[in-house]
Amino acid sequence: DTGVSQNPRHKITKRGQNVTFRCDPISEHNRLYWYRQTLGQGPEFLTYFQNEAQLEKSRLLSDRFSAERPKGSFSTLEIQRTEQGDSAMYLCASSLEGHLEAFFGQGTRLTVV
Amino acid sequence: KQEVTQIPAALSVPEGENLVLNCSFTDSAIYNLQWFRQDPGKGLTSLLLIQSSQREQTSGRLNASLDKSSGRSTLYIAASQPGDSATYLCAVKVGTDKLIFGTGTRLQVFP
Repeated sequence: DTGVSQNPRHKITKRGQNVTFRCDPISEHNRLYWYRQTLGQGPEFLTYFQNEAQLEKSRLLSDRFSAERPKGSFSTLEIQRTEQGDSAMYLCASSLEGHLEAFFGQGTRLTVV
Repeated sequence: KQEVTQIPAALSVPEGENLVLNCSFTDSAIYNLQWFRQDPGKGLTSLLLIQSSQREQTSGRLNASLDKSSGRSTLYIAASQPGDSATYLCAVKVGTDKLIFGTGTRLQVFP
């Protein structure tokens, strides 16, 4: 296992288009998290899953954002009608249940033009 | 509301120096505290995790301490090297199982 994998690594899209990102967690990890990081800031929590259940969503996650983890393995994050303010690094992390170490992927850098 | 602050925001030191990065948090009700390293344009690499019942953790040249009652953690880097240049982030895990991050300390170690 090579760790948390995110695809694509970079995405440039025009304002108004929809984009989808994928995250493959470490195989035995049942918790999966999405964070967003803007330039010069620390990551901010968006949402997390335990297995296939989405347990918490941040108020940062507007109606244009949706995340799924259909079989409790990989997850997708979709942004509809992208805006320039959505430009950021989107980070995925996974962990075993409990208060254990979180491992992060390399992130997807989104640029909305 | 939990807030995490890191001081200094940036640090530039010559190779070989020992240095201390500081992290403070406003609510002591945390499960753990984790230090990460982030290279420009990259994801986060976990360095050390300290459970709330622990006082410190060590890995190689890195030592992290936690004083939960005062809401403080320090990351000590011994004998710094140019390869240590990166942004260092601390994060606390709170009851809803999410991490709350500071804004990081940008470290540059020059030869």
